Amino acid sequence: DGGITQSPKYLFRKEGQNVTLSCEQNLNHDAMYWYRQDPGQGLRLIYYSQIVNDFQKGDIAEGYSVSREKKESFPLTVTSAQKNPTAFYLCASSIDLRSTGELFFGEGSRLTVL
Amino acid sequence: AQSVTQPDIHITVSEGASLELRCNYSYGATPYLFWYVQSPGQGLQLLLKYFSGDTLVQGIKGFEAEFKRSQSSFNLRKPSVHWSDAAEYFCAVGARGGYQKVTFGTGTKLQVIP
Repeated sequence: DGGITQSPKYLFRKEGQNVTLSCEQNLNHDAMYWYRQDPGQGLRLIYYSQIVNDFQKGDIAEGYSVSREKKESFPLTVTSAQKNPTAFYLCASSIDLRSTGELFFGEGSRLTVL
Repeated sequence: AQSVTQPDIHITVSEGASLELRCNYSYGATPYLFWYVQSPGQGLQLLLKYFSGDTLVQGIKGFEAEFKRSQSSFNLRKPSVHWSDAAEYFCAVGARGGYQKVTFGTGTKLQVIP
């Protein structure tokens, strides 16, 4: 079955450490996204990418980095510069950036900073 | 810039009762509109979407939504709620033309009581 796989589902980090969240899709979608979800705040866009080796900052990119070396993969690194990284992170994809906006989501990764 | 307001943070309904979740949007033209559902600890699943045409849209799981341009609203309805409908519901708006950035509301958490 086609879909989006995020790993790990749960991740714990000590302050000062970088962590990388994995996102893989087999939907053959061009566009991929990372969202952050905090209680009562909905989803906020961190980064998005239309094609390999190209990505753009979203609304809250500070303290995060991404790469898009393969069409299927869009990993997110939460760096030590992110001051409040504890959150639920969602990866999504769509056919392309100029499509009708329908997003397909992974099951999320919950990051907790100890 | 587009925005979405979901005025109800939390709603409780009895099983078998009808449901209406409110969504108001702000956008300069006719937007793309979506409702997504999220079970605890999971990703988001698309319930329904409006692009154009008939303003009453049918979705999965017996949900429907009506686009009312004059009220800038896209309320979600279900005639008879089941216990399995307990989840968080997000309204979202996408811009037409150019990059289809999707903006999410803050969500409405639905509790279903016996």
